[in-house]
Amino acid sequence: EDKVVQSPLSLVVHEGDTVTLNCSYEVTNFRSLLWYKQEKKAPTFLFMLTSSGIEKKSGRLSSILDKKELSSILNITATQTGDSAIYLCAVATSGSRLTFGEGTQLTVNP
Amino acid sequence: GAGVSQSPSNKVTEKGKDVELRCDPISGHTALYWYRQSLGQGLEFLIYFQGNSAPDKSGLPSDRFSAERTGGSVSTLTIQRTQQEDSAVYLCASSVTRSDTQYFGPGTRLTVL
Repeated sequence: EDKVVQSPLSLVVHEGDTVTLNCSYEVTNFRSLLWYKQEKKAPTFLFMLTSSGIEKKSGRLSSILDKKELSSILNITATQTGDSAIYLCAVATSGSRLTFGEGTQLTVNP
Repeated sequence: GAGVSQSPSNKVTEKGKDVELRCDPISGHTALYWYRQSLGQGLEFLIYFQGNSAPDKSGLPSDRFSAERTGGSVSTLTIQRTQQEDSAVYLCASSVTRSDTQYFGPGTRLTVL
């Protein structure tokens, strides 16, 4: 059975801090790893990482895929209160469905 | 352009009643997915439609759950004889063919009393 594990499950930081969120996976037929941000109900797409694109960056957010260690990290630098959300990691396999981790609840305090 | 839309946004029903949840995918997206998110849980895959192919129903938790997709666009998820454990947020997503990037709708929060 495919499995995705995220850590920590929750994290509280102060504005300006840098955070690192972790995701590890055990799946068959890995195709890609995706990160989503969920503030209310709809998860919004952040990054997709594949064997041919193991590092992505957008503004203060960046992500790296380590295929050897079967893991990924999501970094957020100079955090802001608007970064408070649940961050979801998901893995796509040959069946096209996404297998999600439980998510990391990030709270950024002013 | 318009994103994925879902209706209703909230639904409260009594145990034993049937409910229908609707999803309107992004125009031109051939793949459509339903997921369920229970309180404090990650998203759980339910069903996947791709074009005219037979749907992948392997995630449906029981035979009380069914879904259809008419005309390759709008999809309806039906839950018959609802139970309290069906209470969750039901999320729909769509994607273009051969892309892993799925775009999610705002979800329907279902509460079964």
